[in-house]
Amino acid sequence: EAGVAQSPRYKIIEKRQSVAFWCNPISGHATLYWYQQILGQGPKLLIQFQNNGVVDDSQLPKDRFSAERLKGVDSTLKIQPAKLEDSAVYLCASSLAPFGVQFFGPGTRLTVL
Amino acid sequence: AQKITQTQPGMFVQEKEAVTLDCTYDTSDQSYGLFWYKQPSSGEMIFLIYQGSYDEQNATEGRYSLNFQKARKSANLVISASQLGDSAMYFCAMRAEGGTSYGKLTFGQGTILTVHP
Repeated sequence: EAGVAQSPRYKIIEKRQSVAFWCNPISGHATLYWYQQILGQGPKLLIQFQNNGVVDDSQLPKDRFSAERLKGVDSTLKIQPAKLEDSAVYLCASSLAPFGVQFFGPGTRLTVL
Repeated sequence: AQKITQTQPGMFVQEKEAVTLDCTYDTSDQSYGLFWYKQPSSGEMIFLIYQGSYDEQNATEGRYSLNFQKARKSANLVISASQLGDSAMYFCAMRAEGGTSYGKLTFGQGTILTVHP
């Protein structure tokens, strides 16, 4: 069974630029999560989707971050414009249902200069 | 609000020995779940073990066991017979499992485990 796929693996941009990350969850997983992991810290949830609807985006900085999950499968996370403090690893995870085990992708390491 | 505390920034263990990684939590929820994930240098979070708050027996998965002490609000991970490949960052996490919760995980700060040959 294929795991959670993410791309790109690495991205370097300058502040005020835009960037987008892509995630393909495990087949059949209805719930999808985006986490931000700053160096030296545990991951923090940014947004959670159930199928193609948002169920929790309370910690998403909505002035610059946006996410969508069209057709309830793939998802994209966008940052526009990026700030220095957005430098982090962005992890995508999926689960069969909201209370299933979450399986994570390899992450995208973003560096904002 | 939920909080996870991992007080050991780093731990060292000799190969083939057992090691315990500490985790304490704070929550007002009656129903919750506790998790341990491993994060190697490659960056991917690997699920290790799960314990539900109403489970009476400690969870075990191969060389991993979770020492769950509900009254003390602790959920320590025990790794038996350590291997060099166990060297990684380990995260304790929890989620509420009822009410208005949607399954969000709250993570601790992590513990770096180094296994010496």
